Amino acid sequence: AQSVTQLDSHVSVSEGTPVLLRCNYSSSYSPSLFWYVQHPNKGLQLLLKYTSAATLVKGINGFEAEFKKSETSFHLTKPSAHMSDAAEYFCVVIGAAGTDKLIFGTGTRLQVFP
Amino acid sequence: DVKVTQSSRYLVKRTGEKVFLECVQDMDHENMFWYRQDPGLGLRLIYFSYDVKMKEKGDIPEGYSVSREKKERFSLILESASTNQTSMYLCASSFAGTGETNEKLFFGSGTQLSVL
Repeated sequence: AQSVTQLDSHVSVSEGTPVLLRCNYSSSYSPSLFWYVQHPNKGLQLLLKYTSAATLVKGINGFEAEFKKSETSFHLTKPSAHMSDAAEYFCVVIGAAGTDKLIFGTGTRLQVFP
Repeated sequence: DVKVTQSSRYLVKRTGEKVFLECVQDMDHENMFWYRQDPGLGLRLIYFSYDVKMKEKGDIPEGYSVSREKKERFSLILESASTNQTSMYLCASSFAGTGETNEKLFFGSGTQLSVL
């Protein structure tokens, strides 16, 4: 069965420092992976997605993620955090090939300090 | 601009009440989904629908039912609300075309339901 594990429930960084949010996946086939972001009192928004094209995926707001098959990882990074990045981030995998059924990780809350 | 609208932002109900959560999308999407979001558990799929009058159970359907009489509207029903159904409920929709676009879900802002 497909699954994702987010390794940190909370991450705190200072503004201007790099962000790393970690995600490992488990999949019986080549997975489609996503990162979604949820700002307070807002709906979830797609940040980026990997669908077996380039292993380094660029998303919105300066975020990117690298698919590493050897490590079964899809970590989300940003070179320099901004206060507006404070939100909850979800790593997501397609639950079954050819469907829209998404399996969400448990989420990582990112805090950004001035 | 794409919109998924959930009828209530906050809802307080009593144990045993029948509860309706409404979701409307204006993008002519075929697919619609209901998730619940709980701290430390992420989002869990309750029910989904790929067409009018069609429904499929997700991972946690017990205690819930759904209705999709029109393409744009997907209702979640709690037949007899219980305290363990206190949660944030999120509706989402997506396009059912081939290619990349069918993997992108558009979410509503959520309904925070409290069952007392």
